[in-house]
Amino acid sequence: GAVVSQHPSWVICKSGTSVKIECRSLDFQATTMFWYRQFPKQSLMLMATSNEGSKATYEQGVEKDKFLINHASLTLSTLTVTSAHPEDSSFYICSARGYSDTQYFGPGTRLTVL
Amino acid sequence: KNEVEQSPQNLTAQEGEFITINCSYSVGISALHWLQQHPGGGIVSLFMLSSGKKKHGRLIATINIQEKHSSLHITASHPRDSAVYICAPSSGGGADGLTFGKGTHLIIQP
Repeated sequence: GAVVSQHPSWVICKSGTSVKIECRSLDFQATTMFWYRQFPKQSLMLMATSNEGSKATYEQGVEKDKFLINHASLTLSTLTVTSAHPEDSSFYICSARGYSDTQYFGPGTRLTVL
Repeated sequence: KNEVEQSPQNLTAQEGEFITINCSYSVGISALHWLQQHPGGGIVSLFMLSSGKKKHGRLIATINIQEKHSSLHITASHPRDSAVYICAPSSGGGADGLTFGKGTHLIIQP
């Protein structure tokens, strides 16, 4: 089946620093990538949708200047958490969709901001 | 906004038992995903369905679009089936960002 990777799988950073998370589709072209966030014991929540070559569409309540998304190619999307704070600590998951309607999920990145 | 309700929230069963997890949603959709999340957090897409029934191995998913209800069944359950099962409807032909249920935490005891 289709494979989506994320890097890093976990990251610990100091408050105020920026963190970049990569999401790659390894064996298919992802026309659309989605970024989700999951706080402990809560549901996943969609943060933004990105189409290759276009600006990302953010969900209500998600700050686009804080969570920068770049979908520069059909196999790579990046999420940068700028000036991270402890409340940004969460599990970030991407998914990718190619030419079918199925979304393939990455393994997730656990971010801890000290 | 689509309100998604899953039941039960927690389920502990013995190996071999037939498992049913239910999902109801409030807004009409075109497709629904069933996902499996393991303790480490990784998510696997089990099914995407827009009507009727799909089967994959010991897993069966059904959906009734008119009644806004879907079920996931596991036959001959095994301890390796222990995970969180999440229902996620999509309103955009399966391609849009999903709305997630809170998940059903399943434990299968040997």
